[in-house]
Amino acid sequence: SQQGEEDPQALSIQEGENATMNCSYKTSINNLQWYRQNSGRGLVHLILIRSNEREKHSGRLRVTLDTSKKSSSLLITASRAADTASYFCATAPYNNNDMRFGAGTRLTVKP
Amino acid sequence: NAGVTQTPKFQVLKTGQSMTLQCAQDMNHEYMSWYRQDPGMGLRLIHYSVGAGITDQGEVPNGYNVSRSTTEDFPLRLLSAAPSQTSVYFCASSGTGHLPLTFGPGTRLTVT
Repeated sequence: SQQGEEDPQALSIQEGENATMNCSYKTSINNLQWYRQNSGRGLVHLILIRSNEREKHSGRLRVTLDTSKKSSSLLITASRAADTASYFCATAPYNNNDMRFGAGTRLTVKP
Repeated sequence: NAGVTQTPKFQVLKTGQSMTLQCAQDMNHEYMSWYRQDPGMGLRLIHYSVGAGITDQGEVPNGYNVSRSTTEDFPLRLLSAAPSQTSVYFCASSGTGHLPLTFGPGTRLTVT
């Protein structure tokens, strides 16, 4: 079964608003990563947060990790139409090398 | 660097046919993996490799074979194609299994 589960499945906002998407996972992890996929293309890595980190920033992205709740959130601030894409979380388990992805959140940013 | 390349981009097979999806990377990455992506189901791991000569099964390995004879190449073989294998296939690589993955552009496979 998939390791990560994103919520919501779809999100539609106006340009300039913030977008928050959540990820829950099941087992102990080495790190958690977020990826973006534009329609029909390969995934692109956005940000990695280690299991001993609680928050990380990269430009307009902010990621939090709560290992006690096995959950993470991705915040995109001041969204742009170009942020329209699907966003996936992926977990790298401690005890093996298979990285598992969730089903993704489809974000639409309206101009 | 070309990154991760995949061939072909599109393929149509008839049920029962076999074929090999090619994947190559020029970043000297030890870790390589294959995923399939179906609508609404995210990416599911098929097989992965942590180095030349070493492969392991992922979440959905049935109907697929892999080998890793060199660091650069990681082909995925469909032994006897079935309509359930209609999907988009992505190859990815990284320095290790825990580092960020670099994805190829994908192969869109249709089995009729």
